[in-house]
Amino acid sequence: DTEVTQTPKHLVMGMTNKKSLKCEQHMGHRAMYWYKQKAKKPPELMFVYSYEKLSINESVPSRFSPECPNSSLLNLHLHALQPEDSALYLCASSHLGQSPEQYFGPGTRLTVT
Amino acid sequence: GESVGLHLPTLSVQEGDNSIINCAYSNSASDYFIWYKQESGKGPQFIIDIRSNMDKRQGQRVTVLLNKTVKHLSLQIAATQPGDSAVYFCAEKVGFGNEKLTFGTGTRLTIIP
Repeated sequence: DTEVTQTPKHLVMGMTNKKSLKCEQHMGHRAMYWYKQKAKKPPELMFVYSYEKLSINESVPSRFSPECPNSSLLNLHLHALQPEDSALYLCASSHLGQSPEQYFGPGTRLTVT
Repeated sequence: GESVGLHLPTLSVQEGDNSIINCAYSNSASDYFIWYKQESGKGPQFIIDIRSNMDKRQGQRVTVLLNKTVKHLSLQIAATQPGDSAVYFCAEKVGFGNEKLTFGTGTRLTIIP
């Protein structure tokens, strides 16, 4: 199984809502990632979890709150977002170390109204 | 990868011809490179990778060339097919144990039937 799954596929939320994005992998990867991708731009790293611990936070605003409940699951909790946060949110996972190729999920298309 | 402003570089190739997609990277300390393919509405898909101790690596219909002297990476796709139409990103990583991938700007490849 080389699949990373993400739910929901699409999400529309108001600026006062609280929502969560979910990501799951069963490849035994111990690193998981959140990226943000705007149209016609490359993915931008937001967070990295290694062995279920947050190892990289790329100065992401606190209205984005990541969580890694176990080695297979990664969540991104959203609160008080702004319209400019509308984007494709991608989850990825990888082994740590020698074979670091990251496998991406299909993404969640988020629209903030 | 280098920034090319707001416009995504594009490349149009006749079906059956070979294509070459180029990428200039910025960090001379980068020691691992990946090419990803991203189709519309999907997450990036791993194509091929190469380590800095190599200058060429081949896969099925794809070849990656690395020139560390000029910090240049290329992806060659042989006998292009309509399914090769996508945006292609190069990504670079520095150091063992550092899980941060930095993506290039991307190139949109269009295969003309």
